[in-house]
Amino acid sequence: EVQMLESGGGLVQPGGSLRLSCADSGFTFSTYAMSWVRQAPGKGLVWVSGISGSGDSTYYADSVKGRFTISRDNSKNTLYLQMNSLRAEDTAVYYCAKWNNWFDYWGQGTLVTVSS
Amino acid sequence: EIVLTQSPATLSLFPGERANLSCRASQSVSRYLAWYQQKPGQAPRLLIYDASNRATGIPARFSGSGSGTDFTLTISSLEPEDFAVYYCQQRSNWPPLTFGGGTKVEIK
Repeated sequence: EVQMLESGGGLVQPGGSLRLSCADSGFTFSTYAMSWVRQAPGKGLVWVSGISGSGDSTYYADSVKGRFTISRDNSKNTLYLQMNSLRAEDTAVYYCAKWNNWFDYWGQGTLVTVSS
Repeated sequence: EIVLTQSPATLSLFPGERANLSCRASQSVSRYLAWYQQKPGQAPRLLIYDASNRATGIPARFSGSGSGTDFTLTISSLEPEDFAVYYCQQRSNWPPLTFGGGTKVEIK
């Protein structure tokens, strides 16, 4: 059974940093690309960042480029999102999602709140 | 960036009725379109991929059609558990991967 468990969310001040993690099991982690997708309160889904199975290729939405860094540790079956220079508009539930040409599995999400 | 426009924003229907949800792309995405269902407090779930293929475990009452710029998700007869928000998403031209704004299917 595929399981994806995000952690690391919380309350952070504008300009601060946070690192999200997504621990995965039930599939061959290194075989699949992964992404982070976020959802602001009461709003729709927005793709944030993606990474290839090997970790060699990374992709970002313009809104986070230069501030967020996606990475993975295939030995630990874990996906990360380092978020720096956080802004109020980054407030959202962040989901990790497994990419198999589509997002076929999602974690339960972790809430990031950027506020003073 | 490919923009996906979903309509209507809200669809009010009775259980047992047929639901037709629309997704229009700002440029052709061929058949590289998926549909997701999201219930309150839950993560999205993949329903349909490549425009018309049901994902594993998805009931046959869900069907997808379309190609190019115009797509439809049809729920043939609404069950109580189908009242949710539905999103379309394209992978034809990325980054970025993009989602539509969503259609909420609510009980009338």
